[in-house]
Amino acid sequence: AQSVTQPDIHITVSEGASLELRCNYSYGATPYLFWYVQSPGQGLQLLLKYFSGDTLVQGIKGFEAEFKRSQSSFNLRKPSVHWSDAAEYFCAVGAMYSGGGADGLTFGKGTHLIIQP
Amino acid sequence: GAGVSQTPSNKVTEKGKYVELRCDPISGHTALYWYRQSLGQGPEFLIYFQGTGAADDSGLPNDRFFAVRPEGSVSTLKIQRTERGDSAVYLCASSLLPSPDTQYFGPGTRLTVL
Repeated sequence: AQSVTQPDIHITVSEGASLELRCNYSYGATPYLFWYVQSPGQGLQLLLKYFSGDTLVQGIKGFEAEFKRSQSSFNLRKPSVHWSDAAEYFCAVGAMYSGGGADGLTFGKGTHLIIQP
Repeated sequence: GAGVSQTPSNKVTEKGKYVELRCDPISGHTALYWYRQSLGQGPEFLIYFQGTGAADDSGLPNDRFFAVRPEGSVSTLKIQRTERGDSAVYLCASSLLPSPDTQYFGPGTRLTVL
């Protein structure tokens, strides 16, 4: 069965410090991957995505993520966090079928990011 | 431009009642998805439409849940005989191209079943 694991339910980081949020997946097919952010009362906003090609992808708000096939991981990073980054972060994975097409996304349970002043 | 819109934003109903939730995708987007997000959880896939047809409905939890997209644009998620366990935020997303493509999410409909 397809699954996405975000091992950290909560992470607390000081403002200005670096951040890494972990995401591991288990998929039988070629994956395509996303990171979304959800602020209280807000909808899901796309941070970045990986479909193919360069395994290091850049996103909005200074975020980046690296796809590591050998580790089945797609960790999200930011070199210096801002107080406005406090939110819930979701990793999502879909499968691309060998015959073309794909399916809906499987989301992790999310990581709640807290920023300390 | 206009994003994905969902109506109503909140719906409170009684156990056993029928509800309909509406999604207006971004204009021109061919694919539409429904997800359900329970408190403290990530979104859970329900159904994916490509055009008017359901390309993948494997996420619908049981036959009380049904969705339509008759003209390939607006979609309605229908829940019969609602149960308290159906309480959640129902999210709709659309993408320009068939999956895989970037999905843009609406603000959701919060359903509360009393």
